[in-house]
Amino acid sequence: SQTIHQWPATLVQPVGSPLSLECTVEGTSNPNLYWYRQAAGRGLQLLFYSVGIGQISSEVPQNLSASRPQDRQFILSSKKLLLSDSGFYLCAWSVGQGGGYGYTFGSGTRLTVV
Amino acid sequence: GENVEQHPSTLSVQEGDSAVIKCTYSDSASNYFPWYKQELGKRPQLIIDIRSNVGEKKDQRIAVTLNKTAKHFSLHITETQPEDSAVYFCAASEGDNFNKFYFGSGTKLNVKP
Repeated sequence: SQTIHQWPATLVQPVGSPLSLECTVEGTSNPNLYWYRQAAGRGLQLLFYSVGIGQISSEVPQNLSASRPQDRQFILSSKKLLLSDSGFYLCAWSVGQGGGYGYTFGSGTRLTVV
Repeated sequence: GENVEQHPSTLSVQEGDSAVIKCTYSDSASNYFPWYKQELGKRPQLIIDIRSNVGEKKDQRIAVTLNKTAKHFSLHITETQPEDSAVYFCAASEGDNFNKFYFGSGTKLNVKP
């Protein structure tokens, strides 16, 4: 069966420090991968999505970036964190085009920038 | 892009009553509409979905209806139980692009025992 791993679960980082969040998927090949952010009490904002290795689409211009170095690995990064980057970050995967089965989300990373 | 609006933002019902959450979308080409349930501090989980060629779908106490003409869809929970308390999100695909969903802002459902 397919599983999605996301870490770390919680993170407290100072303003200006770098960020690296990792997400991996097991049990499937060529998944679509996504990074979402959920601000406190708010909805889910799509940040990046990827349909294949090295293919990244950015939804919102900001100081975050994403990379997909391997088929089942998706990384969210920042060179310098801002206070506004605080939030709950969720990685998700789905089957390829035409699957239509919705997303499966990772357990999330709660990031607090101080 | 797609704009999904969700109402109400909070909903409080008595155990055993029904709950209805409504969403509207702007892109008439959207053709897939999932609903997610997020318990406090946990990941959202898919609870039910509907495609544009279907008007209604039911799974035990949960049902979703879709009105393509009016561009709105709703989640119906009957015989609510305390464990139904959570935040519920609707979403709409960007046309037939299942790589992109736009989410509503969420509804916090509180079921009072």
